[in-house]
Amino acid sequence: EPEVTQTPSHQVTQMGQEVILRCVPISNHLYFYWYRQILGQKVEFLVSFYNNEISEKSEIFDDQFSVERPDGSNFTLKIRSTKLEDSAMYFCASSERRTGAETQYFGPGTRLLVL
Amino acid sequence: SQQGEEDPQALSIQEGENATMNCSYKTSINNLQWYRQNSGRGLVHLILIRSNEREKHSGRLRVTLDTSKKSSSLLITASRAADTASYFCATTGNQFYFGTGTSLTVIP
Repeated sequence: EPEVTQTPSHQVTQMGQEVILRCVPISNHLYFYWYRQILGQKVEFLVSFYNNEISEKSEIFDDQFSVERPDGSNFTLKIRSTKLEDSAMYFCASSERRTGAETQYFGPGTRLLVL
Repeated sequence: SQQGEEDPQALSIQEGENATMNCSYKTSINNLQWYRQNSGRGLVHLILIRSNEREKHSGRLRVTLDTSKKSSSLLITASRAADTASYFCATTGNQFYFGTGTSLTVIP
């Protein structure tokens, strides 16, 4: 069964450093998403992406964040200058169609620790 | 906020018992989905119920939706130790909103 994959599984970085989290969505999916989950808290929506542009974003997704689909398979989340509070689990998801009546399939997540 | 809120926050039962988790939300939705998350792992989709449906079954899972009360319930029958996980409801409008989750422990 096709699945969403994410790399790396864990990343440790120093505050102020840039990180890039990578995702490979399911191949025939057109909509891509990033979420984060701070330890012990709920999963929070960050951004959705379709047709090479951001379609929705939350207030969490500020200028420090950016997303890109650099080729036909990868979908990346970049945090330009990491802060301690960026430490969280980051989940990528994809769906065939826009969220409305559509299941999103989630990757296993990347655990980011900012020191 | 459209966020779902589950209750109870934590539930501990014996293997073989049924587990019921509830979710309430605040605004109109297109559908509601339940996800499971094992500790430190990703989210696994369990079941989707559309706003015009009232009940749905999948294996040992039964989901109900009451749009007049803006609530949903997830019933896991004949629970197993492997069902131990956190369960989240997620509502969809333009975005996906997850609730705070119910932590289920099934004691063998």
